[in-house]
Amino acid sequence: NAGVTQTPKFQVLKTGQSMTLQCAQDMNHEYMSWYRQDPGMGLRLIHYSVGAGITDQGEVPNGYNVSRSTTEDFPLRLLSAAPSQTSVYFCASSYSSQGYEGYEQYFGPGTRLTVT
Amino acid sequence: KQEVTQIPAALSVPEGENLVLNCSFTDSAIYNLQWFRQDPGKGLTSLLLIQSSQREQTSGRLNASLDKSSGRSTLYIAASQPGDSATYLCAGSFGNEKLTFGTGTRLTIIP
Repeated sequence: NAGVTQTPKFQVLKTGQSMTLQCAQDMNHEYMSWYRQDPGMGLRLIHYSVGAGITDQGEVPNGYNVSRSTTEDFPLRLLSAAPSQTSVYFCASSYSSQGYEGYEQYFGPGTRLTVT
Repeated sequence: KQEVTQIPAALSVPEGENLVLNCSFTDSAIYNLQWFRQDPGKGLTSLLLIQSSQREQTSGRLNASLDKSSGRSTLYIAASQPGDSATYLCAGSFGNEKLTFGTGTRLTIIP
């Protein structure tokens, strides 16, 4: 299994441009999520999905859109990039707990985004 | 709001010593706690997951404990090696899959 894959690894955008960060997993996980990592602030949840067709907002959703048309893919769209969105973005996946005590979450290698 | 804290932010230890990394959380209704390792410029590698009904988990030289009543988890690393140098992150799940992360402890093992 490839696990969680993310593309691209690096990206430079100009303010106002849009782009999509790709995330895919081949473990048949129901739950997928996006985090951003900033120095001194740790990882913060942007959006998440508990299954195909179901998405919800996390802690810092403004400026980002997501959709989940398949179990495998969970793309993150930046609508109009701003310098404040310069960060490292991580995608994660796991089985859905459904009231159980939860499962191990697996993270992708990340996308380093710079907005100038 | 659930909060997860890791102190200290950085730690240096001579090679061969045993060490403990700390993680504290504010909500005792924790579902599970996961420890990750992050090397510079890389992604997160899962080390151990402790579910709320468990008190500890072990993998090789690593042992993680969870004490819900005191709001603490520890990651014990035995016989440290230079290859253990990395940032260690803990993250708690409080009733769903959403993880709340600490800001990490940057560990340096001195040869």
